[in-house]
Amino acid sequence: QKEVEQNSGPLSVPEGAIASLNCTYSDRVSQSFFWYRQYSGKSPELIMSIYSNGDKEDGRFTAQLNKASQYVSLLIRDSQPSDSATYLCAVNYDYKLSFGAGTTVTVRA
Amino acid sequence: DVKVTQSSRYLVKRTGEKVFLECVQDMDHENMFWYRQDPGLGLRLIYFSYDVKMKEKGDIPEGYSVSREKKERFSLILESASTNQTSMYLCASTRDPSYNEQFFGPGTRLTVL
Repeated sequence: QKEVEQNSGPLSVPEGAIASLNCTYSDRVSQSFFWYRQYSGKSPELIMSIYSNGDKEDGRFTAQLNKASQYVSLLIRDSQPSDSATYLCAVNYDYKLSFGAGTTVTVRA
Repeated sequence: DVKVTQSSRYLVKRTGEKVFLECVQDMDHENMFWYRQDPGLGLRLIYFSYDVKMKEKGDIPEGYSVSREKKERFSLILESASTNQTSMYLCASTRDPSYNEQFFGPGTRLTVL
């Protein structure tokens, strides 16, 4: 299984701040990358997909991909208490997803 | 919206029982996956299927089997449940495995006593 590494966390940010999550992967041939949000006791929910180098924005979320450096990141702007969750990075290898261990984010009011 | 449903949210079984976990998706996806998720071990792929009656082993297939008789339904079978199979089981599906944007069901929390 290919390696996907995430910053270990937990990450605590004040409400309204930017939360920054990072993910590195081991295989250069990967072409699709995903961020999932998982609330405690719930299943992962897809929040961002990114396939090309650069930034992709969706609401308060921005995903950044740099294939040369083999990293993908997620920025959460104007963090809200409802953003408190574990965020999983996933990379598509050979038609299978490899997941990172997750970074737990806590947004404190 | 993609809808993936799983037969039970919580299940309690005894050691040695045969356990069936069912997953149904309503978006005509050909590709379906079964994972288990455990604290400290993350999400691990058990089996996947790219078509009806087709199955492929994932990273941890031992002790499990699967069935895909219809496109929308993918079943995970624990032939003889053991306590180390206590876990959260997650089903997912995707339309295009080359991109592999997977959508998950709500999960089944299985406890084997």
